[in-house]
Amino acid sequence: AQKITQTQPGMFVQEKEAVTLDCTYDTSDQSYGLFWYKQPSSGEMIFLIYQGSYDEQNATEGRYSLNFQKARKSANLVISASQLGDSAMYFCAMREALYTGANSKLTFGKGITLSVRP
Amino acid sequence: DSGVTQTPKHLITATGQRVTLRCSPRSGDLSVYWYQQSLDQGLQFLIQYYNGEERAKGNILERFSAQQFPDLHSELNLSSLELGDSALYFCASSTPGRQGANVLTFGAGSRLTVL
Repeated sequence: AQKITQTQPGMFVQEKEAVTLDCTYDTSDQSYGLFWYKQPSSGEMIFLIYQGSYDEQNATEGRYSLNFQKARKSANLVISASQLGDSAMYFCAMREALYTGANSKLTFGKGITLSVRP
Repeated sequence: DSGVTQTPKHLITATGQRVTLRCSPRSGDLSVYWYQQSLDQGLQFLIQYYNGEERAKGNILERFSAQQFPDLHSELNLSSLELGDSALYFCASSTPGRQGANVLTFGAGSRLTVL
């Protein structure tokens, strides 16, 4: 089974509106972390936001917030007040066994393309 | 500038050849990760080093090898190259974050084209 699932086709949003990018995950670990990265057309990977499995509140970073629903195993990214520069590919990723330190790699989803229309 | 430096940015070579990709992690980061990004496979974890020691291995082919040197820079060696090895290769280093989470900071990538 896929660890991280991002199934939305290319997403479009009007400038200044909010958009939600979906992510579901699969793990049997109790301690894990969820990450979102942005990859613009230039290719670099930019960290956006992090949510730990034990965090009681949803993470927020500026215009980014993470809608974390643990029981549903979903970690959707919400971008408020979209800007043209938000047009990019967005990747959801997970790190399992958060506190063991034994294996701290990230597993990535396939990504979602977001296009912001002026 | 993320602080993770990768060279070269672009590389074009022929099948059967060998190339070396180089990565310098962010100052202070001890872990280095290598990822391969291709259109069909997405972002695939290859290998992780921590302070010179191999820490985790992913879907890395036997034709590929890596190492991390005492100065913490890392090299990914790709040999007997095939057309399917054409991809964007990322290096990332980890930054301790809150509650034990390590945020991966990525370099700009090395784009390999095998002709």
